[in-house]
Amino acid sequence: GQNIDQPTEMTATEGAIVQINCTYQTSGFNGLFWYQQHAGEAPTFLSYNVLDGLEEKGRFSSFLSRSKGYSYLLLKELQMKDSASYLCAVVDSNYQLIWGAGTKLIIKP
Amino acid sequence: ETGVTQTPRHLVMGMTNKKSLKCEQHLGHNAMYWYKQSAKKPLELMFVYNFKEQTENNSVPSRFSPECPNSSHLFLHLHTLQPEDSALYLCASGRGRETAEAFFGQGTRLTVV
Repeated sequence: GQNIDQPTEMTATEGAIVQINCTYQTSGFNGLFWYQQHAGEAPTFLSYNVLDGLEEKGRFSSFLSRSKGYSYLLLKELQMKDSASYLCAVVDSNYQLIWGAGTKLIIKP
Repeated sequence: ETGVTQTPRHLVMGMTNKKSLKCEQHLGHNAMYWYKQSAKKPLELMFVYNFKEQTENNSVPSRFSPECPNSSHLFLHLHTLQPEDSALYLCASGRGRETAEAFFGQGTRLTVV
């Protein structure tokens, strides 16, 4: 079966750095997305990785290792507004999005 | 504003009611999706439409009936639902098969009583 694993919940301090991990086992791989979802709002696109390595976009970076079936989202200089759920999704061989259950990130002052 | 609009935002319905959820996208996309999001569970893909044709139906009970009159509009008709159907129902659109990025609406929070 297809499986995406990510931690259910993480807590971090304002101004700090946090890394949210995602491991996957899917039938084929055509890329990996990270989405951010604030409570009661739509998931919004954060990043897309299809090749190994690190993609940096401001305070957020996303890393992919296809051989390890592993990705992480790195958030730097955390702000209170970063409190949200972070969803990992893999594009399988049929170009379907396979979703993780999301990681709820709580930022404390 | 994501370019995908869902109405209503909240809905409470009894198990014998019939209601419909509406989704409209203003992005010129060819694909539209219905997802169910339950607490602490992965997003569940329910239905996929490409160019108004249904291409996926992931074993969804018949009490959920989708309708896609054109590439910009998508409906989810609901009847005789169960309390376990209470969830956030998200509509999304996309450019199509080889570009999997999904653009989401804000969802309808459905409560079945």
